[in-house]
Amino acid sequence: QKEVEQDPGPLSVPEGAIVSLNCTYSNSAFQYFMWYRQYSRKGPELLMYTYSSGNKEDGRFTAQVDKSSKYISLFIRDSQPSDSATYLCAMSGGYNKLIFGAGTRLAVHP
Amino acid sequence: DGGITQSPKYLFRKEGQNVTLSCEQNLNHDAMYWYRQDPGQGLRLIYYSQIVNDFQKGDIAEGYSVSREKKESFPLTVTSAQKNPTAFYLCASRKDSRTGHSPLHFGNGTRLTVT
Repeated sequence: QKEVEQDPGPLSVPEGAIVSLNCTYSNSAFQYFMWYRQYSRKGPELLMYTYSSGNKEDGRFTAQVDKSSKYISLFIRDSQPSDSATYLCAMSGGYNKLIFGAGTRLAVHP
Repeated sequence: DGGITQSPKYLFRKEGQNVTLSCEQNLNHDAMYWYRQDPGQGLRLIYYSQIVNDFQKGDIAEGYSVSREKKESFPLTVTSAQKNPTAFYLCASRKDSRTGHSPLHFGNGTRLTVT
């Protein structure tokens, strides 16, 4: 079993939809949670960074962490075609190593 | 602008040849990393360095080598011993090398094709 599980998709939604992206994990020591967005043939860019449980909002993006269920989510409101990308979750226990999910491909069509 | 520069963007090599991928950062970050990305497998850690003149193996170090002679530079050599070298290679850096608290910043990658 992988430490971090992420549905690879692809996920296809119409413009304006609310998108929900999720990851589950098995290591209860994880405390730091990140979401990266990766456009085709580019490096990942940091979208959201959260510590422990709770919600964090930044514009159209909301990150949620539920440590009791070992489940994290990224919500995108009013999705745009420019949001079409691969979204990677990543997490760490505070030591040096980040563990990444495999990424979910999202396509937002006009 | 501060950032991480990887070069070249695309690299083609014949099987049996060693090849070196460049990574330079001007973020004044302490730690640097090399990841390999294959379809459906996410990012896998090859090597990392927390300080100049020191580096550690990641999860898939076999067939790769690195050096860290300067804080801003962390080149990766893909040797002929690497059995499946064709992949997208990502360099990353982080300011705080001691913990996992600070997030990684990535370059835009090098796509290596070996035939």
